[in-house]
Amino acid sequence: NAGVTQTPKFQVLKTGQSMTLQCAQDMNHNSMYWYRQDPGMGLRLIYYSASEGTTDKGEVPNGYNVSRLNKREFSLRLESAAPSQTSVYFCASRRDRGTEAFFGQGTRLTVV
Amino acid sequence: GESVGLHLPTLSVQEGDNSIINCAYSNSASDYFIWYKQESGKGPQFIIDIRSNMDKRQGQRVTVLLNKTVKHLSLQIAATQPGDSAVYFCAEGGFQETSGSRLTFGEGTQLTVNP
Repeated sequence: NAGVTQTPKFQVLKTGQSMTLQCAQDMNHNSMYWYRQDPGMGLRLIYYSASEGTTDKGEVPNGYNVSRLNKREFSLRLESAAPSQTSVYFCASRRDRGTEAFFGQGTRLTVV
Repeated sequence: GESVGLHLPTLSVQEGDNSIINCAYSNSASDYFIWYKQESGKGPQFIIDIRSNMDKRQGQRVTVLLNKTVKHLSLQIAATQPGDSAVYFCAEGGFQETSGSRLTFGEGTQLTVNP
């Protein structure tokens, strides 16, 4: 039982490059989330998907897009990376409202 | 906008003492709260949760208290151990259908346990 799996674990991008962060969960959860965590800071919600087929903006959606590919997978895309997007990105999933979320191990992204 | 925040950024305690980590929230419609522990280089791990129809909930060595009147919750860790050293976050996420599915985190408190 892998839980929440994020790929890649590390990535270095040049300013202006694009990339997609992948997230998959094997717990049959309905809701999935993308967060970013800057050094010494809390987690800020980028986008979330309450259920398959729906996505909503979080606190800091600018510069990102998401796709809920199916119930298992929720990807985060940076179309034109900027140094301000250097951060650790966490994906999470949970069965439904009122239940705990399970987190992946994070993707450490550096934009130079 | 609405936010979930913490009172203290750092907390240092002696091994064996009890720890209390506080959290203030501003959204009066919040009805579900979670405490997470994050160790260095890892993703957050669930500790305990509480719904707004409860004032207190206990787990193994942990207790969460919720005061809806002043919009405050706390995490109490009994007999704190070195392995408890980590950053602790509170999070708010509704459980009623009208609450939506957002899950919002506060800034975190760094707990250091001294031997």
